[in-house]
Amino acid sequence: EDKVVQSPLSLVVHEGDTVTLNCSYEVTNFRSLLWYKQEKKAPTFLFMLTSSGIEKKSGRLSSILDKKELFSILNITATQTGDSAVYLCAVLFHFGNQFYFGTGTSLTVIP
Amino acid sequence: GAVVSQHPSWVICKSGTSVKIECRSLDFQATTMFWYRQFPKQSLMLMATSNEGSKATYEQGVEKDKFLINHASLTLSTLTVTSAHPEDSSFYICSARSGGRARETQYFGPGTRLLVL
Repeated sequence: EDKVVQSPLSLVVHEGDTVTLNCSYEVTNFRSLLWYKQEKKAPTFLFMLTSSGIEKKSGRLSSILDKKELFSILNITATQTGDSAVYLCAVLFHFGNQFYFGTGTSLTVIP
Repeated sequence: GAVVSQHPSWVICKSGTSVKIECRSLDFQATTMFWYRQFPKQSLMLMATSNEGSKATYEQGVEKDKFLINHASLTLSTLTVTSAHPEDSSFYICSARSGGRARETQYFGPGTRLLVL
């Protein structure tokens, strides 16, 4: 059975801390893994990862994929209160259009 | 960037009525649109995938007759919750994807919160 699991489920940190969010997957016909940030409404796109070992970076956020060990991490450095959100990872299969979402990690950054 | 809108953003209705939610891609043509449902503190659950001009593909456990999906054009898909009941209350999100293998990213609408009394 295909599955996408994120850990931890929730996390509370202080401003300035660095956090690492994990997404592991067991799927057949893997194509891409995507990270989204969801605040009050719909998710917003962060990264798409297709190749192993290539870090994608955007400001204080970075992400990398390990296709051998079947996981991805999302790093956030120097966290700010605005980073508080649910972070979702989703896997896209090679055949078909569907994305399967992980359980999400709820991040709370306190001042 | 690509923009997807949803209308309405909020809807409250009586049990037994039908509710239509629209999803529009504003600045690109969406060959495929997806409908998700999200319960509080849970992840997105894919309900169905719709391709323009063809019937939607529903995920297992999603009632086709209950959740009617129409993808009439390359910029519009609608989800109609028929004979809504309180258990249908949820946050419904659509996403859109343009054609071509290179364009894999889904762009999400802002969501519609449905409350059935």
